Amino acid sequence: RKEVEQDPGPFNVPEGATVAFNCTYSNSASQSFFWYRQDCRKEPKLLMSVYSSGNEDGRFTAQLNRASQYISLLIRDSKLSDSATYLCGLTSGTYKYIFGTGTRLKVLA
Amino acid sequence: EAQVTQNPRYLITVTGKKLTVTCSQNMNHEYMSWYRQDPGLGLRQIYYSMNVEVTDKGDVPEGYKVSRKEKRNFPLILESPSPNQTSLYFCASSTDSNEQYFGPGTRLTVT
Repeated sequence: RKEVEQDPGPFNVPEGATVAFNCTYSNSASQSFFWYRQDCRKEPKLLMSVYSSGNEDGRFTAQLNRASQYISLLIRDSKLSDSATYLCGLTSGTYKYIFGTGTRLKVLA
Repeated sequence: EAQVTQNPRYLITVTGKKLTVTCSQNMNHEYMSWYRQDPGLGLRQIYYSMNVEVTDKGDVPEGYKVSRKEKRNFPLILESPSPNQTSLYFCASSTDSNEQYFGPGTRLTVT
């Protein structure tokens, strides 16, 4: 089983829709969790950190479920500019970092 | 401007010809890391460094070397590149292992 798994998509959604992605992980000792956004052929950029208590930033909400070992990202009122690949990342041990393969989102006009 | 820079951005080389990809950050970050990104495999960590003169292997270190002689620089060395090292490479830095800031990437082709 992979350490981190994501549905590759693509998720094709109309503008204004709400869309959610999940990312499951296998190492229960993982400490820190993140969502990154990556545009085509560009570097990943941090979207938000993920906490058990939930983390909201405008239209984006991230959640961590330690019992079921997954993190989620919810995007409300999708915009065309949200089209990108969303990578989940987590720490494995103190300094090792593991990423999922990413979920592609396409927001359609 | 706070940033991570990589050079070169694009490189085409031949099998066996040693090359170095440089990485530099101006944010005084202690932690730096190298990744390669391949279709269907995502971002995989090659090496990381917790501070000057302290490095460790990531998930795919074979065929790569790194050094960390100064805090700001973390070069990636391919002593004898092979075609299976054709990939998109990213350098990243952070104050610890969290919230990494990535460089713009280096697209390497080994023929």
